[in-house]
Amino acid sequence: EAQVTQNPRYLITVTGKKLTVTCSQNMNHEYMSWYRQDPGLGLRQIYYSMNVEVTDKGDVPEGYKVSRKEKRNFPLILESPSPNQTSLYFCASSLSGTGGTEAFFGQGTRLTVV
Amino acid sequence: DAKTTQPPSMDCAEGRAANLPCNHSTISGNEYVYWYRQIHSQGPQYIIHGLKNNETNEMASLIITEDRKSSTLILPHATLRDTAVYYCIAPLLSGGYNKLIFGAGTRLAVHP
Repeated sequence: EAQVTQNPRYLITVTGKKLTVTCSQNMNHEYMSWYRQDPGLGLRQIYYSMNVEVTDKGDVPEGYKVSRKEKRNFPLILESPSPNQTSLYFCASSLSGTGGTEAFFGQGTRLTVV
Repeated sequence: DAKTTQPPSMDCAEGRAANLPCNHSTISGNEYVYWYRQIHSQGPQYIIHGLKNNETNEMASLIITEDRKSSTLILPHATLRDTAVYYCIAPLLSGGYNKLIFGAGTRLAVHP
């Protein structure tokens, strides 16, 4: 089954404790991205990757890092989480980043930083 | 990028067609129109997309006006499970990729 898998689904952590949210897709997609969703602000892109070893900032990259060492995985790293990073996070992938291709989203990771 | 405008909310009776409008008056000739939906806090789900012609798949139909300034997503027989926020997106191909920009969408409530 074609899918994007995020882990964990729920996470409560303390300020400053480094964490990684994993994202994996089984569709051999080139393009992957991370979004966060906050009430009243909608979905905003954090980082994206056009292919292996190619990543770039989205609209709200501060406080986040990503890596794309292999095509299927695109982890989101919070080196020193802060309470303002409490949010619902989604990973997405598509065959390419160009027109005419649909994006597949993971089920989300609800992160709470206390 | 093309800005889209959608009504904030709509209601539909179960079994009837749900017609969700979207204005994208600034869309350019090479920009697709995409529709996604989000049920509760699940990941957004792709529904359909189109460029110039009307499109239909197993989930919905997409009607695009000839001038491409607006479109309508049609759910032919809405069910309670179609209650969701529907996003109309017209991403711009910029820097080699299409960026999906999610607005507030239309909150569709399907009632018995």
